[in-house]
Amino acid sequence: DGGITQSPKYLFRKEGQNVTLSCEQNLNHDAMYWYRQDPGQGLRLIYYSQIVNDFQKGDIAEGYSVSREKKESFPLTVTSAQKNPTAFYLCASSIKGESSYEQYFGPGTRLTVT
Amino acid sequence: AQSVTQLGSHVSVSEGALVLLRCNYSSSVPPYLFWYVQYPNQGLQLLLKYTSAATLVKGINGFEAEFKKSETSFHLTKPSAHMSDAAEYFCAVSDRPGYSTLTFGKGTMLLVSP
Repeated sequence: DGGITQSPKYLFRKEGQNVTLSCEQNLNHDAMYWYRQDPGQGLRLIYYSQIVNDFQKGDIAEGYSVSREKKESFPLTVTSAQKNPTAFYLCASSIKGESSYEQYFGPGTRLTVT
Repeated sequence: AQSVTQLGSHVSVSEGALVLLRCNYSSSVPPYLFWYVQYPNQGLQLLLKYTSAATLVKGINGFEAEFKKSETSFHLTKPSAHMSDAAEYFCAVSDRPGYSTLTFGKGTMLLVSP
């Protein structure tokens, strides 16, 4: 089955540690995205990538980093510089990086930092 | 800049009653509009999208939405609520030619009582 996988489902880290969230898609989509979701805040865009080896900052990129070395993979690193990292993180992809194409979402990773 | 307002963070209906979830957008150009549904601790699933083909859009699970340019609205409706419709619903807008980033509303939690 084609889809987007995010692992792990739940992740726990100590404050001050970097952590990398995995996102893999086998839909052959060009564009991939990372969102952060907090209760009552909707989804906010962290980073997005329209092609391999290229990515752009979203609205809340500070304290995060990404890479896009392969079309299928778009890992997100939450660094120790992110002041409030505890949240639900969602990865998405779309066929092309154009407005009319809907985004498909993975199941999410819930990160808790203490 | 594009923005989305969802009126009501929570909406309660009885099973069998009409569902109406409100979405108003702000956009300087004709937008693409989307409704997504999210069940607890899961990713988002596309319900329907408007891409200028027809103003009344039919989606999955009996939902539909009507694009009204004069009112800058894209409200989501379903004639008869089912218990399984209880979830959080997000409206999103994309209006940047060549870019596929979405701006999401803060979401509306639909509660369905028997």
